[in-house]
Amino acid sequence: KQEVTQIPAALSVPEGENLVLNCSFTDSAIYNLQWFRQDPGKGLTSLLLIQSSQREQTSGRLNASLDKSSGRSTLYIAASQPGDSATYLCAVTANWGKFQFGAGTQVVVTP
Amino acid sequence: DADVTQTPRNRITKTGKRIMLECSQTKGHDRMYWYRQDPGLGLRLIYYSFDVKDINKGEISDGYSVSRQAQAKFSLSLESAIPNQTALYFCATSDFSPGEQFFGPGTRLTVL
Repeated sequence: KQEVTQIPAALSVPEGENLVLNCSFTDSAIYNLQWFRQDPGKGLTSLLLIQSSQREQTSGRLNASLDKSSGRSTLYIAASQPGDSATYLCAVTANWGKFQFGAGTQVVVTP
Repeated sequence: DADVTQTPRNRITKTGKRIMLECSQTKGHDRMYWYRQDPGLGLRLIYYSFDVKDINKGEISDGYSVSRQAQAKFSLSLESAIPNQTALYFCATSDFSPGEQFFGPGTRLTVL
């Protein structure tokens, strides 16, 4: 069974620092990996989707890498802002379309 | 308008009551999902459907049932609600490829 782990569970950084969030998974036979942002009590907003054939995806200040062989993905957020404070979740899916989520990393960016 | 909508957004009910949560989507996706989120346990899959005639159990389907009324509509029912079903419930959709998942805003359900 696929296991998805996100470490650390919580992270606090001063504004302007780069954020590095980690996601690891036990089964490398994935179809894609998706990063989400969740604000307290709200739904999940899709940030980036990396397909299994890709090594990274970029959107603005966000960059996500994928290393299937080592079972890892990293989300980088450049020049963090207080508005980046949220919980970040990663999810992986095999080709039959079921998603397995990590527990998330709660990020606080202090002004 | 939101691509994935859920009703109601909040619901308080009593033990033993039947509850239905509804989900509608305008993304034209065939695949729809129901999850629950509990503090410390993350998101867990309850049921999923890959088309109108396809319904599958997820990790935690006991105590729940679903109905896929149309491509755009997927409902979750709690036949006899119990307090440990108090949680935040999310509906999501995806296509087959590239398989990006989109979530609704969630329903906060409290069972007293």
